[in-house]
Order: sequence, then structure tokens, then C-alpha cells
Amino acid sequence: QVQLQESGPGLVKPSQTLSLTCTVSGVSISNGGYYWSWIRQPAGRGLEWIGRVDADGGTHQNPSLQSRVTLSVDTSKNQFSLILSSVTAADTAVYYCARAYNYDFTWFDLWGQGSLVTVST
Amino acid sequence: ETVMTQSPVTLSVSPGEGATLSCRASQSVSSNLAWYQQKHGQAPRLLIYGASTRATGIPARFSGSGSGTEFTLTISSLQSEDFAVYYCQQYYYWPQTFGGGTKVEIK
Repeated sequence: QVQLQESGPGLVKPSQTLSLTCTVSGVSISNGGYYWSWIRQPAGRGLEWIGRVDADGGTHQNPSLQSRVTLSVDTSKNQFSLILSSVTAADTAVYYCARAYNYDFTWFDLWGQGSLVTVST
Repeated sequence: ETVMTQSPVTLSVSPGEGATLSCRASQSVSSNLAWYQQKHGQAPRLLIYGASTRATGIPARFSGSGSGTEFTLTISSLQSEDFAVYYCQQYYYWPQTFGGGTKVEIK
């Protein structure tokens, strides 16, 4: 059974850096065939796609966040990670990691349970 | 960015009744449209992709239709576990974008 699990600090101070890791079990990232994405959801609001990474480390980011987002993959640990710099209160949200097939046009077929990150002093 | 607009925002339905949810794209996304269900405190779950293909394990009471800019998710007879928020998502243009959601609540 394939599972995704987010981990990272639940509280980040304004102007600092948010770091999250998604651990994948049940499938090897290095086998390819998928994109690995981050999506966030502020409380009571809709979903925003942040970006994705593939098994080779290739990335695409949402232009609205691109200057602050770094995505990476560690196939030896079967993990992928998100770094979001210079955070503000507007970055407070539940952050999900998700999987998508590496087609040209692709949807999210599997999601992690989500990790709440609060930006506050 | 492609804007996805869902309507209604809230839909009140009695168990056993049907429900029709709408999703409109600001430009044609062909059939590159997915629907997700999100229950309170849980991650979204894929229901439909390709506008009309049910994901693995999704009951037949869920059906999707449409193409271009107009899409519909139909739940034929609501069960207690179907009361949730439903999101559409286009994956034709960068960046991929989601609608604001439709909450299906018990009437």
C-alpha cells in the first residue's frame, strides 16, 4: 500500500524558512513514473499547487511562489522536500504532499494526510 | 492563470437525493479536469479524472461529465459518507488550479 507522510516543524517565525519533507512508502521514487507535488490549503480556503519534483530532480513551481520555493528529492531516503523562504502569515496553511503520474497532463491520485504549518512569532 | 469557478458554494441535500455540482473554467481545458472529495480534517481524495473517468474504488453513484469550460459532478443518491467538500482541478495549463469548492451538506 502506497502512503505519503509529511513531516516538519508546525511553527515558523515570520521571515524565516519553512521546511517540510514527504516520506513515501510502498513505492520507490527512483523507479520513476510519477511526479511528486506539494499543495497547500489555508484554513477554510481552497487548494493551491506549489510545485513538483521528479525522480531525476527536475522541478516545476507555481509562478506565484517560484522565487521563494526550492524543491528537492532524496531517492536514497525515498523522500522529497519543500523549502519556502521568507514566510509571512499568509503562508500559514495545511501543506499536503501528493503523487501524480508523469503524463503531460496529470492529476493527483494519492495525497498525504497534511501538515499544519503556522507562521507566527 | 486559469480560474476555476464552482457553483453553488453550498448545496443542501437530503440523504438519498441526487446532487449536481458545477465547475467552470476561464478557458478551455479540454477534458483535463479532475474532481476531489475532502472530508473535514482529511486530505482530498481523487474521485474523477479526465472529466468522466472514475478513480479506483469510487462508487458508480459518482459521475462526471463535460469538456471545454463546463463540467458537472453528479452524485446520484447521496449516502451519509458523501457529505463533504468537492473541488475541481484543471491540469491542462500551468499552473494547475483548483476551484473554490462546493460544500454538500445535510438538508
